[in-house]
Amino acid sequence: TQLLEQSPQFLSIQEGENLTVYCNSSSVFSSLQWYRQEPGEGPVLLVTVVTGGEVKKLKRLTFQFGDARKDSSLHITAAQPGDTGLYLCAGGPSGGSNYKLTFGKGTLLTVNP
Amino acid sequence: DSGVTQTPKHLITATGQRVTLRCSPRSGDLSVYWYQQSLDQGLQFLIQYYNGEERAKGNILERFSAQQFPDLHSELNLSSLELGDSALYFCASSGTASNTGELFFGEGSRLTVL
Repeated sequence: TQLLEQSPQFLSIQEGENLTVYCNSSSVFSSLQWYRQEPGEGPVLLVTVVTGGEVKKLKRLTFQFGDARKDSSLHITAAQPGDTGLYLCAGGPSGGSNYKLTFGKGTLLTVNP
Repeated sequence: DSGVTQTPKHLITATGQRVTLRCSPRSGDLSVYWYQQSLDQGLQFLIQYYNGEERAKGNILERFSAQQFPDLHSELNLSSLELGDSALYFCASSGTASNTGELFFGEGSRLTVL
């Protein structure tokens, strides 16, 4: 079973601060997705990374896939209250023909005004 | 709006009962996935259907079953309910069975078993 560990589990910061959340595994993934889930809603995809070492930027969010495709990080610059939510990483299995994403338990981010 | 519709949004029932959760995928999406989300376990994959056929199975209990109909909507049946089955149940859809396809999630069905 492939497991994804996310850290920290909870993060509460002030508006304007920077932060990084991590997603780690001992397994190799063919792809890594990051989702954000707001209260009462389903997760919404932010980004997909597929190449080891890949860096993608989405406005103030920077996503990086580890060289060995076992870990990923999400960095938010100058966080805003609208960034509040549960950030989930999800890995696609390597070498498998079936699509079965493995989700981490998430990092619950609160950005205080 | 993801385009994925789930009903009901909230459901309260008693132990031992049976419920059915319904999902309509985004127009044109052939894959439907069911996930269970709880505070302690996070988002757990239950089962995937692709164009009416079961494609992948996760941590789905024998008391649970699902199917995808010819019109591509899907139902998740939960029977002999236990207190521990209380959770958010999400349906997601995608247009591909590949490993990098985006999942579009519905708003979930919150099940409370008393």
